Amino acid sequence: DAGVIQSPRHEVTEMGQEVTLRCKPISGHDYLFWYRQTMMRGLELLIYFNNNVPIDDSGMPEDRFSAKMPNASFSTLKIQPSEPRDSAVYFCASSFNADWPQETQYFGPGTRLLVL
Amino acid sequence: GQNIDQPTEMTATEGAIVQINCTYQTSGFNGLFWYQQHAGEAPTFLSYNVLDGLEEKGRFSSFLSRSKGYSYLLLKELQMKDSASYLCAVKDYGQNFVFGPGTRLSVLP
Repeated sequence: DAGVIQSPRHEVTEMGQEVTLRCKPISGHDYLFWYRQTMMRGLELLIYFNNNVPIDDSGMPEDRFSAKMPNASFSTLKIQPSEPRDSAVYFCASSFNADWPQETQYFGPGTRLLVL
Repeated sequence: GQNIDQPTEMTATEGAIVQINCTYQTSGFNGLFWYQQHAGEAPTFLSYNVLDGLEEKGRFSSFLSRSKGYSYLLLKELQMKDSASYLCAVKDYGQNFVFGPGTRLSVLP
């Protein structure tokens, strides 16, 4: 398997622009997670889906952030409008049958976002 | 509240043993995970503990004490490639993973 795929790998945009990050989970995994990592705040869970349904979005910072999962093989995280404080590395992760306590998550390579 | 603490940085010598500690206070507990993250890369899974005691996997071992809210990752026979950040994470409820700030380990020759 190719692992979790994210695109783009790098994104530089100007404040106020819309940013869309994409993720393809590992085939057969039924959980998908979006994280944000910064030096100041570390790795933060933003939202996760089970079988394409959002389960917990309490980590989404504000209304400017939205996430969708239209099917089992694709998810997007959108920021509109973007702000400089959104600059971070955004990771997507997936897991299989995450009801097993020992089931770990597999992370994608991340998208490095810089908002000028 | 949710709180996980780890030392920010550690330094050790090639061939030595290093112990990275993690203390946690979370609303629930469904297991503790350790991840390794090299600079510029994604976290990768190292170990999992849900019962008290030591889990050994080659050069890496992880220990858990649930009553103390404490875990450590033990790295033996350190190699230069072990220079990375090590993240402690608790699965507190559902699928909610809470990550610690990470410990940046530098292995010196």
